[in-house]
Amino acid sequence: DIQMTQSPSTLSASVGDRVTITCRASQSISSWLAWYQQKPGKAPKLLIYKASILESVVPSRFSGSGSGTEFTLTISSLQPDDFATYSCQQYNSYPYTFGQGTKLEIK
Amino acid sequence: QVQLVQSGAEVKKPGASVKVSCKASGYMFTSYDINWVRQATGQGLEWMGRMNPDSGNTGYAQKFQGRVTMTRNTSKSTAYMELSSLRSEDSAVYYCARGTTLFSMDAWGQGTTVTVSS
Repeated sequence: DIQMTQSPSTLSASVGDRVTITCRASQSISSWLAWYQQKPGKAPKLLIYKASILESVVPSRFSGSGSGTEFTLTISSLQPDDFATYSCQQYNSYPYTFGQGTKLEIK
Repeated sequence: QVQLVQSGAEVKKPGASVKVSCKASGYMFTSYDINWVRQATGQGLEWMGRMNPDSGNTGYAQKFQGRVTMTRNTSKSTAYMELSSLRSEDSAVYYCARGTTLFSMDAWGQGTTVTVSS
C-alpha cells in the first residue's frame, strides 16, 4: 500500500497568515492526489484534485502543487472559516490511502 | 444538487453485522463509483472499498476482505455497505462518497456512526 505522510500534524496560525501543508507519498503517484477539508462532526469536503485543480466553489486562496511523491497545499491568506483539519489522499492505485491529517488551529 | 443521504446511527454487539445505506440523488447513480470511508474517533480517514453501481463490480481494501460487502439497488439509487464480525475497533463514522478516477471523491454522505459494544 502507498503510505501518505503529512506534515505538520498541527499548525497554529493567525487570520491573514500564509500557510503550507506538505504531503509525501511512499512511491510516485504522478498527480493523483486530492486534498480535503474537514470540520468537527462533518464529512470531508473536496478542495483540490489531481494535485492542483481547484474544485468548483473553493476559494482561490487555496492552491495545490506537486507531482510524484511530494505535494503541498497552500492557503494564501487564512480566513476564520479555514480553521479545520486537512487531509491528503492518493488515488493513483488501490487501496486509496489518506494522510493522517493536519489540524490547523487559531494561534 | 448532488446529495448522498445515509442511514441512521447503529449500535451493535461484537460479532454482529451492520448494513449502512447511502441514497443518491441529483445525478445519475450508475455514472459514478461509490466509495466507503471510515473514521474512528480522533483518527484519520480510512478507505474501505468501492463499487461501480452500473456493473456492481467491487474492490475492497485487503484489511476488510472477507468481512465487507458492497451492493446496490439501482432502482432506488441506493448503495449499501455491510460489515460483518464486528469488533470494538470497528466503532467509527462510516461515510459513502461519490467518486471517479479524475477527481477521487467529490460528494460525501453525512456519515453514519456505528458503535460496537457489549
